[in-house]
Order: sequence, then structure tokens, then C-alpha cells
Amino acid sequence: AQSVTQPDIHITVSEGASLELRCNYSYGATPYLFWYVQSPGQGLQLLLKYFSGDTLVQGIKGFEAEFKRSQSSFNLRKPSVHWSDAAEYFCAVGETPNSGYALNFGKGTSLLVTP
Amino acid sequence: NAGVTQTPKFRILKIGQSMTLQCTQDMNHNYMYWYRQDPGMGLKLIYYSVGAGITDKGEVPNGYNVSRSTTEDFPLRLELAAPSQTSVYFCASSYLGQGPSGANVLTFGAGSRLTVL
Repeated sequence: AQSVTQPDIHITVSEGASLELRCNYSYGATPYLFWYVQSPGQGLQLLLKYFSGDTLVQGIKGFEAEFKRSQSSFNLRKPSVHWSDAAEYFCAVGETPNSGYALNFGKGTSLLVTP
Repeated sequence: NAGVTQTPKFRILKIGQSMTLQCTQDMNHNYMYWYRQDPGMGLKLIYYSVGAGITDKGEVPNGYNVSRSTTEDFPLRLELAAPSQTSVYFCASSYLGQGPSGANVLTFGAGSRLTVL
């Protein structure tokens, strides 16, 4: 089965600083990759997705992610973090038709933004 | 447009009780999912459905049942609640209309927090 690893459980960033959240996946073919964000007490909101084509993907709220096949990575970046970005971030890989196209999620990275 | 609606938002159960978590979507999505989220563990798939009348097990189905009698509704039933089922439950849906890429884009509900004591 496909798997997703988010190596960092917690990350603390100063407001205005740049951000990179790491995501590694294991999958034989070209995967469908996603980043979701979860604010406290809320559901998950899609930030961006990669299916094919340009390996640099732009998302909402100023986020971007780069697919690197050679490193099996799909890291999320933002050039300048705002206090409202504090949340839980989940990387996910799309499953095959045999699993109803369900997403397989990493364990998440909790982002804390300091003044 | 309501999207995916889950009820209740919070519930406390006693061990051995049963209950149903409701999920309804108004986007005419054919695929629906139930996940549970535990701290530090991400989201685990409980059950999914590819259309009315069709359901299948995910990674952690034990202790749960589902049904899909209509396109809109996908209730999750807990029989004989146990403390291990204390979790936040998320319902999600997606649309397989233009190939796998669309089906993988899940829309989530706001979640149902369940505590079993």
C-alpha cells in the first residue's frame, strides 16, 4: 500500500519567516498528491494538489508545493508566514480505484507561529 | 451550498451503547468516506462507498457499520461502543466524473467528536 511520511511532528516559525513542511511518499507510479490544512476544531481544507505536469504547484493562501520524483517528496512552502497559518497540515496520497480513491494521510505537522 | 454536513458535532457515550453518526452531502458526489482522527495518528479510513448500495471496508472497520441507501446520505453506526472508539470522525465525499483525478479531491465535513466513557 502507498504510504506518506511527515517527518516533523511540530514546527515553530516566526511570523514573516519562510516555511517548509516536508512530505515523503512511497508509491510505484506517479502519485496523486495533496496538502490539506486543519484549523483547530475544524474540518480539512484542500490547499493544493498535484496530478501531473508542472512539478511546482500553486495553492490557496499563498502556499506552493514541489513534486520531486527523485526524492519521492512533495514539500509544502510559503515565503512569509502569517499568524493565521497556525494549524495542522496533512500531506496525502491518492489511493487506487481498489480503495475507492480514498486518500492515505500522513500523521500531520502542527505549525506554531510566534510573534 | 452546504457541502458535507455531519451531526452531531459532539457526543458522549457510555461503554456498550450504540449510536449513529449522520453524514449528508448536497453536491451529488458518488464517492463517500468515513475517517477517524486520533492525536498524532493522522486520519484512518473506516469505510467508503462508491455509490448508493455499495460499501466497502477501509483500514480500521472493526466496531463500525455503514449503509448507503441514497446518494446523499452515508451514516456510520457504532455498535457496543468502546473507549478505543473515542475519536474525531470525519465524513468526506468526492466525485468520479472526469477520471481518478477528480475522485481524489475530497470535501470534508466539520467532524464529530465522540467520547466513550
